[in-house]
Amino acid sequence: AQTVTQSQPEMSVQEAETVTLSCTYDTSESDYYLFWYKQPPSRQMILVIRQEAYKQQNATENRFSVNFQKAAKSFSLKISDSQLGDAAMYFCAYRRHTGANSKLTFGKGITLSVRP
Amino acid sequence: DAGVIQSPRHEVTEMGQEVTLRCKPISGHDYLFWYRQTMMRGLELLIYFNNNVPIDDSGMPEDRFSAKMPNASFSTLKIQPSEPRDSAVYFCASSHSEEPPYEQYFGPGTRLTVT
Repeated sequence: AQTVTQSQPEMSVQEAETVTLSCTYDTSESDYYLFWYKQPPSRQMILVIRQEAYKQQNATENRFSVNFQKAAKSFSLKISDSQLGDAAMYFCAYRRHTGANSKLTFGKGITLSVRP
Repeated sequence: DAGVIQSPRHEVTEMGQEVTLRCKPISGHDYLFWYRQTMMRGLELLIYFNNNVPIDDSGMPEDRFSAKMPNASFSTLKIQPSEPRDSAVYFCASSHSEEPPYEQYFGPGTRLTVT
């Protein structure tokens, strides 16, 4: 079974600084997706970024980028120029690359606070 | 599109009562997922449907939980009787089987409190 581990329960960053959130996963599959979701106090699950395992290039979305290390099964999220609106829970998630019928497996999440 | 719609947003009920959570997926989406979020267990899949048919309900905790999808635009998750340990946020998500990477779009969730 696939597992996703987020070992840091909380992190804090100064506004405008950079922060990296860590995630490791375990799978025997060779093709899969990895995601970072943001959950603000509104509870809405917002997709931040997606990485396809067969792509070696790290995904980027504006201030958000990932460091995907497939051999190490590591998938960290870097937030540059942190903003107050980035304060939220962040979840790392895994999904098999088998089509729409594959479930998301989530880590326990990390609470990110941003200091003004 | 309005996105995935869930109702109610908040539900407070007493132990032993029946609770029904509702979900309207994005129009045209043929997959629907129910997830539960708790402090202890995090986010976990309860059940998912394809074309209104339940495909995998292995995550449903026990017989007190049931889910239905009578048509493509509506699904319910029912708990009867409810217990305090059912208190959680319940999310519904939908996706389209012909739109890779088959993104799952989440609703705003229903926060259930059982006293």
